[in-house]
Amino acid sequence: TQLLEQSPQFLSIQEGENLTVYCNSSSVFSSLQWYRQEPGEGPVLLVTVVTGGEVKKLKRLTFQFGDARKDSSLHITAAQPGDTGLYLCAEAGYNFNKFYFGSGTKLNVKP
Amino acid sequence: NAGVMQNPRHLVRRRGQEARLRCSPMKGHSHVYWYRQLPEEGLKFMVYLQKENIIDESGMPKERFSAEFPKEGPSILRIQQVVRGDSAAYFCASSPRWRDGVNSPLHFGNGTRLTVT
Repeated sequence: TQLLEQSPQFLSIQEGENLTVYCNSSSVFSSLQWYRQEPGEGPVLLVTVVTGGEVKKLKRLTFQFGDARKDSSLHITAAQPGDTGLYLCAEAGYNFNKFYFGSGTKLNVKP
Repeated sequence: NAGVMQNPRHLVRRRGQEARLRCSPMKGHSHVYWYRQLPEEGLKFMVYLQKENIIDESGMPKERFSAEFPKEGPSILRIQQVVRGDSAAYFCASSPRWRDGVNSPLHFGNGTRLTVT
């Protein structure tokens, strides 16, 4: 079973600040997805990264995939209250029968 | 374009009763996944089904839990003789085809919150 570690577990910041959250594994990822989950809702896919060293941008969100494909980060620039939520990374098992999820980073952006 | 529909949104059961959770995947999706989430935690894989077949149930407890995805109708996650430890949010996700990890992301429903009293 792939073990994904996410850090920090909790993060509370003021609107306008920048932040980075991390997802790490002892094993190589086949591919990695980032999801955001708002209270009372299901997770929504933000991005999929596949290639080591890959960088993807989604407005104020920047996703990086480590060269060795064992870690990934999500950087948010000028956080807004609408960014509040649980950020989850997930990795597909090699047979793609299941996705393993990390325990998430709970982000609270205060106005 | 309806998304993944789960019902009920909230379910309260007494210990020993049965809980039936329903999931209708997105139109055109034939693959369904069930996950469980405890407060402040990530999602734990339970079972992966295609129409009329259980593909991977390695995350499902051996007793009291069962899942099906019939040819017609929604996928059902059934929990018999519920206990307090079964209280959690249960999420269903669907995808359109055998996932290659890149082009077939999971589309999640908004979950069923089960409370066992």
